[in-house]
Amino acid sequence: AQTVTQSQPEMSVQEAETVTLSCTYDTSENNYYLFWYKQPPSRQMILVIRQEAYKQQNATENRFSVNFQKAAKSFSLKISDSQLGDTAMYFCAFMGGATNKLIFGTGTLLAVQP
Amino acid sequence: DAGVIQSPRHEVTEMGQEVTLRCKPISGHDYLFWYRQTMMRGLELLIYFNNNVPIDDSGMPEDRFSAKMPNASFSTLKIQPSEPRDSAVYFCASSPIAGGQYNEQFFGPGTRLTVL
Repeated sequence: AQTVTQSQPEMSVQEAETVTLSCTYDTSENNYYLFWYKQPPSRQMILVIRQEAYKQQNATENRFSVNFQKAAKSFSLKISDSQLGDTAMYFCAFMGGATNKLIFGTGTLLAVQP
Repeated sequence: DAGVIQSPRHEVTEMGQEVTLRCKPISGHDYLFWYRQTMMRGLELLIYFNNNVPIDDSGMPEDRFSAKMPNASFSTLKIQPSEPRDSAVYFCASSPIAGGQYNEQFFGPGTRLTVL
């Protein structure tokens, strides 16, 4: 069975600084996808970035980038130039095999301080 | 498109009552998912449908929970009878046909259920 682990329940960063959120996963699948979702206080789940396991190049979306280490089964999220609007819960998620099931980590609550 | 629509946004009920949560997926999406979010268990998949057919209901906690998708534009999640431990935020999500490849899941705003 696949598992996703986020070992940082809470993190804090100063505005304009850079922060990295950690995620590790376990799977026997070779073909899978990894995601970071953001959940602000509004509760809406928002896809931040995704990574296909077969791609070696790390995904980037504006200020958000990932460090995907397939052998280590690690998938961290880097947020550059943090903004107050980045304050949210961040979930790492896995989708693999023949299903479309998303398996979520427990989340990291990120607070961006002014 | 209006996105995934869920109703009600908030529901407060008493233990033992029947609760029905509703979801309208994005038009043209073939997959529909029901998730539950609690502090204790985080986000967990309850059930998902493909072309209105339940594919995997292994996450449904017990017989008190049931889900239906009578047509491509409507799904319900029913809890009967409800218990205080069912209090959670319930999300519905939909995605286009996968065909073995990834397709993004679009989440609704969620229904916050409180069972007293």
